[in-house]
This record gives sequence, structure tokens and C-alpha cells, in this order.
Amino acid sequence: EGQLVESGGGLVQPGGSLRLSCADSEFTFSIYSMNWVRQAPGKGLEWVSYISSSGTTIYYADSVKGRFSISRDNAKNSLYLQMNSLRDEDTAVYYCARDYSVAGNFGNWGQGTLVTVSS
Amino acid sequence: ETVLTQSPATLSLSPGERATLSCRASQSVSSYLAWYQQKPGQAPRLLIYDASNRATGIPARFSGSGSGTDFTLTISSLEPEDFAVYYCQQRSNWPPFTFGPGTKVDIK
Repeated sequence: EGQLVESGGGLVQPGGSLRLSCADSEFTFSIYSMNWVRQAPGKGLEWVSYISSSGTTIYYADSVKGRFSISRDNAKNSLYLQMNSLRDEDTAVYYCARDYSVAGNFGNWGQGTLVTVSS
Repeated sequence: ETVLTQSPATLSLSPGERATLSCRASQSVSSYLAWYQQKPGQAPRLLIYDASNRATGIPARFSGSGSGTDFTLTISSLEPEDFAVYYCQQRSNWPPFTFGPGTKVDIK
């Protein structure tokens, strides 16, 4: 199975923006739907966003709707998360996760990238 | 939104013992429930999907059961590497996909 590698995390001020990337070494990336899931320090898991294999169907958690934007480039085997208007509560490790067989079975995960929102 | 609750919050057991973890949904999720294991500093790993199907490479000591609103993850005999946090997650009523708060299995 292909490996998922996230990048783009870092320290950003409240109100700022950040773009996360997830590179998939799986040559059949284009047939899988993908997700972003986050985990605040010491807390549980929270689903953030979903994108279908073609990119035509997209969903967001209410907590990020209107601020975050998910996209993918199947030619580059890559998934993205554009995060705008960042808040303190967006501080978390962000994981990309590949769906296993059907949407919502998160079969493969990256190692995560830490986003810290702080002044 | 479907809320998942897990019990107990912490389970203290010894290697070789049987672990029974519970997950309850606020409304029926049919059999569309998964279990994940997460160790410190690592990403979660899919153990069980659709209530009772082991994911690829998952040992047979892990089993899942249940349907509707009540689900159980059983580890038949704990190995040292099984001490971790376990999360349930539903994909029946989405968006959003929702996770339970987790059960920590630690060494007694």
C-alpha cells in the first residue's frame, strides 16, 4: 500500500493562513476518496473534510466550513487543505487519511503535520 | 450529528487478559462502525471496519461485534503492543464522520 506524507504545518498567528499537502506514493491515488482528520494536543480525533476520488464531492465539518478548502491533484498524487482565518482552536496535528473500500473507513493514514495557531 | 460514547474511559489490565471495550451511538449506525488503535506519537491504525471485519494485517485476537447502537471491541489476550488508545468511528450518518472520545487500555 502507498505511503501518505503530510507537509506544510507550522506556527501561524490567529487570522493567518496555511496550506497543507499530502503526497501519496500509491500509483492508484486517483481512485480513492480522501480525508483530513485532526487531533488537538492531548485530545481525540476530529474529522475535518472529505473529497471524492474525482474531486467533485466535498464535505466539511461545521467547525471549519467557510474557512478551510480541500482539493486534490490526481496527476500529482496529492491532496491539499487550504486553511484560512485560523483560530487558536485549530491547533492540532492534521492527518490525511485514505478511504478503504468505501467513504469513511480510514484505511491508511499519514504521520501527521502539526499546526500551531498562536500569537 | 451521531454522537458516540465509549466506556470505560480507561481499562487497566495485565498482558494475557481479555479486554472488552464498548461504543454506543446516539442513533442507529447499522453496522457502519470502525475501530482504530492509536499509540503515543503515532497515527491511528484501522483495526475493524463495518463492525466485525478485520482490516488487512490485523491479528485474530482483535474482534468486533454489534449493530444498531451498541458495539464491542474485544482483544482476546492482550499482548504488550496492544496497550494504546482505541477509538470507534461511524460512517452511517455523514457528514460528519464522528469519533468516540476513546478508551485507553493501560498496563495494570
